Amino acid sequence: EAQVTQNPRYLITVTGKKLTVTCSQNMNHEYMSWYRQDPGLGLRQIYYSMNVEVTDKGDVPEGYKVSRKEKRNFPLILESPSPNQTSLYFCASSRTGLYTGELFFGEGSRLTVL
Amino acid sequence: DQQVKQNSPSLSVQEGRISILNCDYTNSMFDYFLWYKKYPAEGPTFLISISSIKDKNEDGRFTVFLNKSAKHLSLHIVPSQPGDSAVYFCAARGFQKLVFGTGTRLLVSP
Repeated sequence: EAQVTQNPRYLITVTGKKLTVTCSQNMNHEYMSWYRQDPGLGLRQIYYSMNVEVTDKGDVPEGYKVSRKEKRNFPLILESPSPNQTSLYFCASSRTGLYTGELFFGEGSRLTVL
Repeated sequence: DQQVKQNSPSLSVQEGRISILNCDYTNSMFDYFLWYKKYPAEGPTFLISISSIKDKNEDGRFTVFLNKSAKHLSLHIVPSQPGDSAVYFCAARGFQKLVFGTGTRLLVSP
């Protein structure tokens, strides 16, 4: 089954404790991206990757890091989480360069930073 | 600066009637528009799209209309079914990303 898998689905952590949200896709997609969803703001792009070892900032990259060492994986790293990073996070993938615009999303990771 | 706007946070419709969800955008460089549907505890799923060179695209009960001069698009669902109850996001393709609206929660009652 074609899918984007994120882990963990739910996490409560404390300010400053480093965490990683993993994302893996099995569709051999070149393009991957992270979004966060907040009330009244819709989904906003954090980072994206066009292919292995190629990453770039989206609209809200502050406080986040990513890496793309393998085509299937695109982890999101919060080096020192803060309460304003409490959000619902989605990983997504697509064939080359959003050709048709269609993104395939994971089920989401709800993060709470105390 | 919200480049894609969905001004109606919610919409209630009776089963069998038409649902019309609206979306406005400000950036004339957007070249592709999409609608996503989202159920609770799930990720958004692609529903229907339209290229900026077209003004209508139909897929079963779902039709998307694009009015470029007004920078407006709409999603029509006919007939609406209770299973259509979800949050609908409008999105526009920008440079290496989709720009999303804030979503409209549709409730279809039996």
